[in-house]
Formats: sequence, structure tokens, C-alpha cells
Amino acid sequence: GAVVSQHPSWVICKSGTSVKIECRSLDFQATTMFWYRQFPKQSLMLMATSNEGSKATYEQGVEKDKFLINHASLTLSTLTVTSAHPEDSSFYICSARVPGLGYNEQFFGPGTRLTVL
Amino acid sequence: DAKTTQPPSMDCAEGRAANLPCNHSTISGNEYVYWYRQIHSQGPQYIIHGLKNNETNEMASLIITEDRKSSTLILPHATLRDTAVYYCIVRIPAQGGSEKLVFGKGTKLTVNP
Repeated sequence: GAVVSQHPSWVICKSGTSVKIECRSLDFQATTMFWYRQFPKQSLMLMATSNEGSKATYEQGVEKDKFLINHASLTLSTLTVTSAHPEDSSFYICSARVPGLGYNEQFFGPGTRLTVL
Repeated sequence: DAKTTQPPSMDCAEGRAANLPCNHSTISGNEYVYWYRQIHSQGPQYIIHGLKNNETNEMASLIITEDRKSSTLILPHATLRDTAVYYCIVRIPAQGGSEKLVFGKGTKLTVNP
């Protein structure tokens, strides 16, 4: 089946630093990937849609200059949290849409837990 | 955009069937019903989807009412590993032709030994 990986699985950083999270589709090419954020005991919230070779589409209220998304290849999308602050601490999850399937099923990565001190 | 309503929590005995309801009374004719689940501290896992016919796969069955205003996800023989938050999602068409999934609060299913 389709497998999506994320790296790192967890990261702790100091306030003010930038953190990059990678999302890879391991056995398929994904023209579209999605980035979600999940705070404790809350549901997933879509942050942005990442399309290979073009700019990401951000959801309302998500700062595009703070959450930089790059989808430079068909198997890799990256999310960079710039100048991270404690309120950015969250569980970040990516998903990839499998092309060619009639129902556009999405497969999710295992998530990256970010803790900003 | 169609919204869904699910009970916040449910309990089920191990080995018994778990029936998780979802209301989507404003669903439109071309919107599909998707079910995902999320085990604690993991990414969501796709379970099943359907348009109007009942569907079954190796994980679960999906029963959609004739008027499509509600559906039920059935786990025929629940195990402890099925303890998770189950999300019922109606697909929302997004710009550029790519679909995005909007997650509600889901149902926290606890399977008890």
C-alpha cells in the first residue's frame, strides 16, 4: 500500500529557531500533499495544500511567511516553522493524495511532534 | 459544505461489533462519505469511503441510508487495537481540483476487554 513517512518524528527546539519537517511518499509519486496541525485533545486542522512545482495554498489564518512549504519533487514536501515560539508546539501531520485512484484517497504520515521551549 | 455530527464517545466490548453513527443531513449529491481513524499520537488511517451504496472491506463496513443523510461505520469484531478516534468526513471540493479533508471532533471509541 501507499506509505508516507515523516522526519523527524519528534523535535525539541529553542524559541526563535527554525525547524524543518520532511514528508515523503515512499512508494508512489504525490502531486498533492497536505499539512495539518493538531493541538492536544483537538482535531486535525488543515494548514495548507502543497502542490508539486507550485506555491502552496494556505488556509485562512495560517501565516505563509511563518510556515514555509516547499514541494520540490513528487515524493517530498517540507514544512519549515520559522522563528518558532512555544505556541507553535503541536503535532504536525502530512498526507499525500494517491494519483490515479478514482476516489482520491489520502494517506497520512505518522506525524511530527514539535516542542518549542 | 456538508458538515457531520458524531457522538463524542462510545464504548464497545472486545469481540463485539462496534457501530459508529454519523449524521450528514446537508450532504450534496456528489459528495462522498469517508471514514478515518486516529490512534493516539499517530497519523490518521483511512478506513473506508462510499457514495450511496453500502461498502465493505477488510477493515469495516459502511452503511449509508437511502436518503444519504446518515451513515454507520461497523467494525464487526472490535479488538483493543481498534481503540481510537473515528472521523466521519464528507469530502469538500477545493480550488484547483484537489480535495481537502476537513476533520471534525470525531468519536472516541474505547474497546474494553
